[in-house]
Amino acid sequence: EVQLLESGGGLVQPGGSLRLSCAASGFTFSSYAMSWVRQAPGKGLEWVSAISGSGGSTYYADSVKGRFTISRDNSKNTLYLQMNSLRAEDTAVYYCAKPHCTNGVCYAGVFDYWGQGTLVTVSS
Amino acid sequence: EIVLTQSPGTLSLSPGERATLSCRASQSVSSSYLAWYQQKPGQAPRLLIYGASSRATGIPDRFSGSGSGTDFTLTISRLEPEDFAVYYCQQYGSSPLGFGQGTRLEIK
Repeated sequence: EVQLLESGGGLVQPGGSLRLSCAASGFTFSSYAMSWVRQAPGKGLEWVSAISGSGGSTYYADSVKGRFTISRDNSKNTLYLQMNSLRAEDTAVYYCAKPHCTNGVCYAGVFDYWGQGTLVTVSS
Repeated sequence: EIVLTQSPGTLSLSPGERATLSCRASQSVSSSYLAWYQQKPGQAPRLLIYGASSRATGIPDRFSGSGSGTDFTLTISRLEPEDFAVYYCQQYGSSPLGFGQGTRLEIK
């Protein structure tokens, strides 16, 4: 059974840093690109960042580029999001998400497994 | 960047009725790379439809997707009580990935 378990959220002051983790199980983690998607309280979904299965390629939304860094440790089946220079508008539940694959084809931008999310609150 | 606009913002219907949700893109979505998700309060989104019209694993056949180019539709043929939720469309044909603002489907 595929499981994604995020951790590392919490309250941080503006300008501070936080590192989120997502522990994956139930699938061959290194074979899949992974993404982070966030949702501000009462708002819609926003894609944040993605990383290839090897970790060699990374992608970011303009809103976080230069402040957030996505990475992964395939030996630990864990995805990370290092968040620096945090702003109030980064306050959100952060989900890690696995792409949907069917009949041997994976759609990197479609997500069929999500974690439960971890709340990041940026406030003084 | 492709902007997705969903309508209506809120849809009030009764169980047993048919629901039609719209998603309009600011530019053509390549290869119909359009997905739909359902989200209930306190839960992560659930994938319903990908490729504009393909149902994800385990999704009941009362959910169907259609459309191409810039206009897409999610139809729920006969609403069940558990279908009342927020629905998001998402394009994955071009970077950055983008979601619509959501349609809230509420019980009338």
